Amino acid sequence: AQKVTQAQTEISVVEKEDVTLDCVYETRDTTYYLFWYKQPPSGELVFLIRRNSFDEQNEISGRYSWNFQKSTSSFNFTITASQVVDSAVYFCALSEAESNTGKLIFGQGTTLQVKP
Amino acid sequence: KAGVTQTPRYLIKTRGQQVTLSCSPISGHRSVSWYQQTPGQGLQFLFEYFSETQRNKGNFPGRFSGRQFSNSRSEMNVSTLELGDSALYLCASSPDRVRPGNYGYTFGSGTRLTVV
Repeated sequence: AQKVTQAQTEISVVEKEDVTLDCVYETRDTTYYLFWYKQPPSGELVFLIRRNSFDEQNEISGRYSWNFQKSTSSFNFTITASQVVDSAVYFCALSEAESNTGKLIFGQGTTLQVKP
Repeated sequence: KAGVTQTPRYLIKTRGQQVTLSCSPISGHRSVSWYQQTPGQGLQFLFEYFSETQRNKGNFPGRFSGRQFSNSRSEMNVSTLELGDSALYLCASSPDRVRPGNYGYTFGSGTRLTVV
């Protein structure tokens, strides 16, 4: 069965600290996509990154970096030198290509609070 | 390029009434999906439409329905509203349902429905 687990419900850090958000997924498909979204208080889900199951290369984009490890079914997200504007709820999501259901399976989200 | 537009942003309805929510996808996007977000259940998939056909449906009662028009705009309807239907309803669009990982899903700001 497909599932996404974000074990951290809430994280609170002080500005400029590094923070890692954990995501573990379960799927039987060999072809799948993983996403991270950010949801600020306004409610809109803002796309951050996508990864397909054949691309385990880690990625860095500015202060954001992602660590995808198929061996542990994890897709973790790190914010370096956090800022107050990073405060939001972050969701990890899975889309199964072989099942072709056209849906995203979301984790429960991690609320990140960055204090000044 | 305009994003995904959802109307209205806020709605207050009474138990037993019905409601229709609207979603205009990004121009050129043919796949539209709907999600319900509640504090208790998180983000749950409602249904997905592609070229006016419902291709997949989540585990929701028949009171929840939707449709997609030839211009890819979509509506969802909830009949006989219950208090538990209070939620943020998010619409997402993608140009390619089969390979969403190539393009990702873009979300609208959502419609916040309150049932009293």
